[in-house]
Amino acid sequence: GEDVEQSLFLSVREGDSSVINCTYTDSSSTYLYWYKQEPGAGLQLLTYIFSNMDMKQDQRLTVLLNKKDKHLSLRIADTQTGDSAIYFCAEAGNNRKLIWGLGTSLAVNP
Amino acid sequence: DAGITQSPRHKVTETGTPVTLRCHQTENHRYMYWYRQDPGHGLRLIHYSYGVKDTDKGEVSDGYSVSRSKTEDFLLTLESATSSQTSVYFCAISWGQRGDTQYFGPGTRLTVL
Repeated sequence: GEDVEQSLFLSVREGDSSVINCTYTDSSSTYLYWYKQEPGAGLQLLTYIFSNMDMKQDQRLTVLLNKKDKHLSLRIADTQTGDSAIYFCAEAGNNRKLIWGLGTSLAVNP
Repeated sequence: DAGITQSPRHKVTETGTPVTLRCHQTENHRYMYWYRQDPGHGLRLIHYSYGVKDTDKGEVSDGYSVSRSKTEDFLLTLESATSSQTSVYFCAISWGQRGDTQYFGPGTRLTVL
């Protein structure tokens, strides 16, 4: 069945790079997404990548897509305490719905 | 930010009472969604709408109903609230472009005592 998997927790030191990983199941997915949720807030679209791309870079964020392995990653360079949040991976499913991972909680330690 | 508001933002109610949550958008987006978020379960889709008066069930629709009589409003009703419906509820909207990119409201925290 359709499933998106992420590790639940990641802890990094301030200034280091963070890499959040995700695996998905539907090879026909056209778009894959990363959302960020800060405490007490809604989900904010962070970035997305189209399935014909291998990489997308946006300032401190780098998204890598390995379609063969159905693996998506989000790298945050120079991680700051303000990056502490839950990061959700999602893939475009059928009928205009997204399939969501459970989220990775990123803790940034000073 | 997409123009999405949710009301109320917080609500405490008692078991057995009806509750209606409102999602309002100013973007004229066709697709609207209701999710609930619970620890350990991530986001779960309750109902969604692909146009006025066109709605469909998500994965956790039991105990919930929805209505969409106008493009801008999507209502979620708990006919008889139960403690298991204590959760944070998020509304999302989508153009149906760039895949199905969704934009989220700020959420409603509902407590059923």
